[in-house]
Amino acid sequence: DAGVIQSPRHEVTEMGQEVTLRCKPISGHDYLFWYRQTMMRGLELLIYFNNNVPIDDSGMPEDRFSAKMPNASFSTLKIQPSEPRDSAVYFCASKEGAGNEQFFGPGTRLTVL
Amino acid sequence: EDKVVQSPLSLVVHEGDTVTLNCSYEVTNFRSLLWYKQEKKAPTFLFMLTSSGIEKKSGRLSSILDKKELFSILNITATQTGDSAVYLCAVEPRGGSNYKLTFGKGTLLTVNP
Repeated sequence: DAGVIQSPRHEVTEMGQEVTLRCKPISGHDYLFWYRQTMMRGLELLIYFNNNVPIDDSGMPEDRFSAKMPNASFSTLKIQPSEPRDSAVYFCASKEGAGNEQFFGPGTRLTVL
Repeated sequence: EDKVVQSPLSLVVHEGDTVTLNCSYEVTNFRSLLWYKQEKKAPTFLFMLTSSGIEKKSGRLSSILDKKELFSILNITATQTGDSAVYLCAVEPRGGSNYKLTFGKGTLLTVNP
């Protein structure tokens, strides 16, 4: 299995631009998680899905952030408009049901100038 | 709100030393505690602990959970330079399909030759 796939791996954009991050979970996994990691705040959960349905989005910082999961093999995290404080590494993770660990993708390093 | 505190924040040792990393937690309803290793990329899974007093072991790494005192330790014996990484501890709450992990800030371990 290829593991969790994320794209792009690096993104540099200017303040005010729209940013879309993409994730393909491991086949057969029914949970998908989006995290953000910064030096100051560590690794924080933004939102997670079960069977393509958002379960908990309480970690989404504000309305500029949105996430979708149109099918079992694809999810997006969108930031519009982006701000410099959004600069971070964004990880996607997936897991299979109960009692199993989450597997992380390689992350997208986002820099907003 | 669930909370995870790791100590020390950083640690520098020499190859061959034994290290103990600490993780204390507060969670409303406990399901599991997980340890991850993060080098300059995605966190990779080490252990999942659900029961007190049962040691999980993988090579030179081992971990144990104390649900009464609300902490876990990760031991690494005969450390190698390849063990240099950030070690993350996370707790997972119990409750239906609630798999929201709360992570600590991590312990940065540096193993010098």
